[in-house]
Amino acid sequence: AQRVTQPEKLLSVFKGAPVELKCNYSYSGSPELFWYVQYSRQRLQLLLRHISRESIKGFTADLNKGETSFHLKKPFAQEEDSAMYYCALGIGGTYKYIFGTGTRLKVLA
Amino acid sequence: NAGVTQTPKFRVLKTGQSMTLLCAQDMNHEYMYWYRQDPGMGLRLIHYSVGEGTTAKGEVPDGYNVSRLKKQNFLLGLESAAPSQTSVYFCASSYWGNEQYFGPGTRLTVT
Repeated sequence: AQRVTQPEKLLSVFKGAPVELKCNYSYSGSPELFWYVQYSRQRLQLLLRHISRESIKGFTADLNKGETSFHLKKPFAQEEDSAMYYCALGIGGTYKYIFGTGTRLKVLA
Repeated sequence: NAGVTQTPKFRVLKTGQSMTLLCAQDMNHEYMYWYRQDPGMGLRLIHYSVGEGTTAKGEVPDGYNVSRLKKQNFLLGLESAAPSQTSVYFCASSYWGNEQYFGPGTRLTVT
């Protein structure tokens, strides 16, 4: 079965501390993975995708096929990073996406 | 560019009533999606469309119908609303299955 798991509902860190938001997936095909972010009172927007291998707003995510993970990391959290983060899996050949349940990140001053 | 717009923004229905949510996009995207967002459940795909005149079921299609008569519009219908359909509904569109662009959401309460 295709599934995306985000084990933490809420993650609280202090400003300047490292952040890691966990995402594990279950999929037998070649995965396309994304991180979306929803800031307060804003719409969901793409943060990054694994195929681009880029860093956005200081965030990076590496696809680990052996561990079926796509964790989101940032070395030094900022208060403006506080938001809801969703990991999403693209199902090849169907253009469907499966989203995880989301992790709310709170960065404390 | 307005991007993806949703109408209405808020709605309260009584059990058994019907309504249609409208999603419109001005980016000439082929793919459109309807999701519902519930606390602790994340986003769940209701229905999606890969082009004008086509629709397909997602994870939670029961109780909903959709239509894509025009490429830019994707309608989500509730024929007989139930309290379990109280949720925030998001529409999204994408070009050939890449990045999804989301609408602002519609908050629906069914009493």
